[in-house]
Amino acid sequence: DIVMTQSPATLSVSLGERATLSCRASQSIGSKLAWYQQTPGQPPRLLIYDASTRATGIPARFSGSGSGTEFTLTISSLQSEDFAIYYCQQSNLWPPWTFGQGTKVEI
Amino acid sequence: QVQLQQWGGGLVKPSETLSLTCGVSGGSLRGYYWSFIRQAPGKGLEWIGEIDHSGSTNRNPSHKRRFTMSVDTSKRQITVSLSSVTAADTAVYYCARRDYDRRYFDLWGRGTLVTVSS
Repeated sequence: DIVMTQSPATLSVSLGERATLSCRASQSIGSKLAWYQQTPGQPPRLLIYDASTRATGIPARFSGSGSGTEFTLTISSLQSEDFAIYYCQQSNLWPPWTFGQGTKVEI
Repeated sequence: QVQLQQWGGGLVKPSETLSLTCGVSGGSLRGYYWSFIRQAPGKGLEWIGEIDHSGSTNRNPSHKRRFTMSVDTSKRQITVSLSSVTAADTAVYYCARRDYDRRYFDLWGRGTLVTVSS
């Protein structure tokens, strides 16, 4: 299985600040990476797919980059609704599809 | 607007079999794979398996022996069964959709909590 490792586990930021989240794959996955946002009590929501393409309705402050084994999710100016847990998912090799353990973005 | 409704789960005794169902409203089963993904309390996401409208399945090798999936196209429902449950199976179970050609999950159900306890 491809192991996805996210860092940091927790990221403390202030409103309006920039947040940078990392995701590393145990082997190259090209650009086959997705990012999800999960708020308490809710299912995950797709933010980014194919490493850098925003899903429908996702604000432009969310951007993704990277390829191979190293990926980044950037939130350019944090809004209150962005405080959540973010997961990456490799979509290159299955089964199984695998997720990172998550990064919690907190105030 | 396509929506996923989930039911089943609740309190299940160890060694029993749990059954969860995902119903699709507002859209077709065709053209998609339908997955179950679980999340243990305070933990990350674990993909269990997926099925399409024809019954073609892909399963996580880690759970292959205990999980079975089925589809009822007339009711637009997908069902997953997990046998010989243990406390480690306690989790919120989500159903989620992905397009055949896309490898990410663009629509999720609200999830259903399964607690394994005697």
